[in-house]
Amino acid sequence: GAVVSQHPSWVICKSGTSVKIECRSLDFQATTMFWYRQFPKQSLMLMATSNEGSKATYEQGVEKDKFLINHASLTLSTLTVTSAHPEDSSFYICSARSFRGHPFSTDTQYFGPGTRLTVL
Amino acid sequence: TQLLEQSPQFLSIQEGENLTVYCNSSSVFSSLQWYRQEPGEGPVLLVTVVTGGEVKKLKRLTFQFGDARKDSSLHITAAQPGDTGLYLCAAPNSGGYQKVTFGTGTKLQVIP
Repeated sequence: GAVVSQHPSWVICKSGTSVKIECRSLDFQATTMFWYRQFPKQSLMLMATSNEGSKATYEQGVEKDKFLINHASLTLSTLTVTSAHPEDSSFYICSARSFRGHPFSTDTQYFGPGTRLTVL
Repeated sequence: TQLLEQSPQFLSIQEGENLTVYCNSSSVFSSLQWYRQEPGEGPVLLVTVVTGGEVKKLKRLTFQFGDARKDSSLHITAAQPGDTGLYLCAAPNSGGYQKVTFGTGTKLQVIP
């Protein structure tokens, strides 16, 4: 099955620093990757859609200058949380879908294991 | 913005009991998925339903898509501690880019 990895799995940083999270599709090419944020005991909230070779599309209310997304290749997307603050502490999850087809047909969004960010 | 409301939000039951989780919306969906997520991990897809009235079974889990494709249910028979987790329904977002909207989630705890 399709595997999506995230690195790091957890990170603790000081307020004001920047943190980069990587999302990789290990055995398939992903033209589209999605970044989600999840607070404890809550559902996933889509932050942005990342398309290979183009600028990310951000959801309403998500600061694009705060959350920098780069989809440099068909297997890698990165999310950089710039000048992190304690309120940015959350569980960040990426997903990737393969090249062809509509969602929920033969192609599915495959989720990474998530990255726990704690900003002190 | 389409909303997917799940009920109940939290459910704590004894091992062996049955339960049903609901996912409701005012929007019509072309398909709907159910995921289970364990703490500290990403969601894992359980099933996709695409036809109104469709029923799918996955061992002790039974999924149904409403006739009008606005709602869905997940029924678990004889719940086991391994069923513990956050259950999420999800549907394609009409906003394009193959985006997905997740439901509000149901946290299930099965007590041995």
